[in-house]
Amino acid sequence: QQPVQSPQAVILREGEDAVINCSSSKALYSVHWYRQKHGEAPVFLMILLKGGEQKGHEKISASFNEKKQQSSLYLTASQLSYSGTYFCGTVSPGDSGAGSYQLTFGKGTKLSVIP
Amino acid sequence: DAGVTQSPTHLIKTRGQQVTLRCSPKSGHDTVSWYQQALGQGPQFIFQYYEEEERQRGNFPDRFSGHQFPNYSSELNVNALLLGDSALYLCASSMGQHNSPLHFGNGTRLTVT
Repeated sequence: QQPVQSPQAVILREGEDAVINCSSSKALYSVHWYRQKHGEAPVFLMILLKGGEQKGHEKISASFNEKKQQSSLYLTASQLSYSGTYFCGTVSPGDSGAGSYQLTFGKGTKLSVIP
Repeated sequence: DAGVTQSPTHLIKTRGQQVTLRCSPKSGHDTVSWYQQALGQGPQFIFQYYEEEERQRGNFPDRFSGHQFPNYSSELNVNALLLGDSALYLCASSMGQHNSPLHFGNGTRLTVT
């Protein structure tokens, strides 16, 4: 099942902060975050793993509540380059045996940063 | 170091036809996942290939099939095209573990008329 992202869209002025939320109804291995600019491919930002380990971007932070299957992406002191659509991808066990998993993306949050 | 490459970049097909899309993964990656992205939507998981086998499949009909070759490159085949199959098809490669980032290609824009 597709994770639910909120808000659907947000407009920020340069320097403002934003939080994007992602919620899943399934038990998760991990949560990925990607940013997609118009006409381009999604680009990896961050992975959050069970146990609190994070891998990713220096200027963007995130949290992962394993018990609630929720993740939040924190964008601080936003820059014009932060504009784009942000997708969370939730990783849950697959149904094809050991090692299988499925990464399912939400519908995205469109972030616009204006001068 | 070449990233993920997809071909062709654009394709126009007629309803009922068949199409094959191709993907070369990033060097060092052994896993390829395919996604369908409709306009304004998030990527929808089609399937994932690892060691030349389909390891996991999303909620797509059997008209969608794939293949992975020994060099880890992959193909996505869609038979009996429908108008609703018009979308951007994204290929993503990774190291195969769930904690491995996906690296996306620029996609193939398929239009079915």
